[in-house]
Amino acid sequence: DAKTTQPPSMDCAEGRAANLPCNHSTISGNEYVYWYRQIHSQGPQYIIHGLKNNETNEMASLIITEDRKSSTLILPHATLRDTAVYYCIVRVAHYTGANSKLTFGKGITLSVRP
Amino acid sequence: NAGVMQNPRHLVRRRGQEARLRCSPVKGHSHVYWYRQLPEEGLKFMVYLQKENIIDESGMPKERFSAEFPKEGPSILRIQQVVRGDSAAYFCASSRDIVSGDTEAFFGQGTRLTVV
Repeated sequence: DAKTTQPPSMDCAEGRAANLPCNHSTISGNEYVYWYRQIHSQGPQYIIHGLKNNETNEMASLIITEDRKSSTLILPHATLRDTAVYYCIVRVAHYTGANSKLTFGKGITLSVRP
Repeated sequence: NAGVMQNPRHLVRRRGQEARLRCSPVKGHSHVYWYRQLPEEGLKFMVYLQKENIIDESGMPKERFSAEFPKEGPSILRIQQVVRGDSAAYFCASSRDIVSGDTEAFFGQGTRLTVV
């Protein structure tokens, strides 16, 4: 079962920042927050992950609240090609067999409008 | 998607035939995961394998489905006696040896199975 809650959908204007929220109020201290996206019917694409510090890479920034109960994925300048389903996933830090799998919820559908 | 190769990309099978889906992980990755996505639905975990071992098959249907990841060669997801309900996209992901949790899994482009 997914341990995260995301709104079903949101939209933003092209060129603007897209801020995608995620609640993970039951996250454990040894769990990472991962973000993936799936564009149309393609394979899921890894975006970013973090434990407790904010993270940034060439695709996005991940802001995790101090209590780690929620996070926000930020796409700084959304383009039409960023239209996709975005998944927020929590995953244990130290794998013990079955715990290493990624469990996908329904995700949030981001629509970027021209 | 960092080199996870799945083939074939599209597969058509008649009811009752066998389907074999192949997944070559990223070079150096020894962990493979299979997921299924039914039309208009989310990604559902099926099975997690390390080289020559099945670690977690909690998402695999009990009958007709099997998976392997041999010491040499790709991982294979095998579906025997396919039925129309098996029509779906099957995705494979791989990750490197896990020392800590700080590692991402990379997905392939999937195999779209159509049962006619």
